Amino acid sequence: KAGVTQTPRYLIKTRGQQVTLSCSPISGHRSVSWYQQTPGQGLQFLFEYFSETQRNKGNFPGRFSGRQFSNSRSEMNVSTLELGDSALYLCASSLGLQPQETQYFGPGTRLLVL
Amino acid sequence: AQSVTQPDIHITVSEGASLELRCNYSYGATPYLFWYVQSPGQGLQLLLKYFSGDTLVQGIKGFEAEFKRSQSSFNLRKPSVHWSDAAEYFCAVGAYNQGGKLIFGQGTELSVKP
Repeated sequence: KAGVTQTPRYLIKTRGQQVTLSCSPISGHRSVSWYQQTPGQGLQFLFEYFSETQRNKGNFPGRFSGRQFSNSRSEMNVSTLELGDSALYLCASSLGLQPQETQYFGPGTRLLVL
Repeated sequence: AQSVTQPDIHITVSEGASLELRCNYSYGATPYLFWYVQSPGQGLQLLLKYFSGDTLVQGIKGFEAEFKRSQSSFNLRKPSVHWSDAAEYFCAVGAYNQGGKLIFGQGTELSVKP
C-alpha cells in the first residue's frame, strides 16, 4: 500500500505570494491533518479534515486554509506569504477521527519564503 | 490544555549502550501518548503508542516506553542503541475530544558514537 504523498517536495516563493500544497492520504484513510515544523516552534497542528469537513483547527492566522476533496485528498493554502512561513509542512492521514488511531506522515513539503 | 515537555534537546550515546529519552505531559484525563522518530529529510514514523491497558508498551525497532501516571511521564527506552537510531525523537499527546490532533514536544536529537 502506498504511503502518504505530498507534492511538491520543495518550493521557493517570495513574500506576498500564495502557495498551495497537496496531500494524498493512504488509500482508505479519511482523515488528513496538517502540521507546520520550524526550528523555533517545533511541530504545530494546523488543521484536520474528515469527510470534506474541517474538524479541528490550530492557532494559526486566517491566511492558512485548507480543504479536503471527496477522494480524501487534501490541499492547504497559504496566502500573502511571510518570511516566517518558511517551514516543513507535514501531512498525516489516519482511518478516522479516533485519537488512538495511528497517524501516518508524509515526507513533507519544504517551503522557503524569500 | 495539553502540553508535552522533552527536557533533553540533544543526547549522545555510544553504540551498544542503553538509551532513555524523557517525556513529561500535562493533561487532565488519561492521555493518548505517542513516540515518533524523524530521520533527516523524512517525515515522522510512529515507534509506539499508549492509550490504555499495560503501562509498558513495545514498539518497533526494539523500542519500549512506560506510562507512569503518578509522574506524568512516558519515557522511551532501548536496551542497546544502533548507529542507525541516530535521529530526532518526538513525544506527542492526543486527547479523546480532539480527533487526531497531536501536541508535540520539542524533540530530542539523538547522536550515536561508534
